[in-house]
Amino acid sequence: DAMVIQNPRYQVTQFGKPVTLSCSQTLNHNVMYWYQQKSSQAPKLLFHYYDKDFNNEADTPDNFQSRRPNTSFCFLDIRSPGLGDAAMYLCATSRAPGQGGDTQYFGPGTRLTVL
Amino acid sequence: GDSVTQMEGPVTLSEEAFLTINCTYTATGYPSLFWYVQYPGEGLQLLLKATKADDKGSNKGFEATYRKETTSFHLEKGSVQVSDSAVYFCALSDSWGAQKLVFGQGTRLTINP
Repeated sequence: DAMVIQNPRYQVTQFGKPVTLSCSQTLNHNVMYWYQQKSSQAPKLLFHYYDKDFNNEADTPDNFQSRRPNTSFCFLDIRSPGLGDAAMYLCATSRAPGQGGDTQYFGPGTRLTVL
Repeated sequence: GDSVTQMEGPVTLSEEAFLTINCTYTATGYPSLFWYVQYPGEGLQLLLKATKADDKGSNKGFEATYRKETTSFHLEKGSVQVSDSAVYFCALSDSWGAQKLVFGQGTRLTINP
């Protein structure tokens, strides 16, 4: 089945220790997104890639970076995690604008704990 | 800017009850509208969508109609089950713009047997 996969499902890191979260997709979608979702809140968009073009949200802290080495994979790097970065991180994909690109498909998420 | 407002939760119902979760939106263009569902500890699953006025999205017994005149997209189900317990998010997307999903705050639904 075509899908969005996130690894790991649970990640524990220490305060200030860099961590990388992974997302892969078999949908061959052009666009990949990263969201942060804190407890009992709606997801908040951090950034997205349209093919190789990176689009950062204005209020995304510099501590969050992303890489997309190819169509299938996208990574979220947190350079120096703080306690406030503990959250569920959701990856999503969509087709290009005008080609059904309004619909996003989400992975199961990675729950990050910062000790 | 665009925004989505959902009825506040939590909502608790008995099995087989009728469900309505209200959703209204503000948008400058002609957005697509969505309902996503999130089960405990999981990501978001697309429940249904509608892309233009008067469209009705439906899936798994849930329905929602895109009402441009009232800027609403209320979610309904005639007879809920315990397995419907989850958090429901209403969202909109400008399909021609920045492709940002704008979410409502979510409504937690609990169904008791």
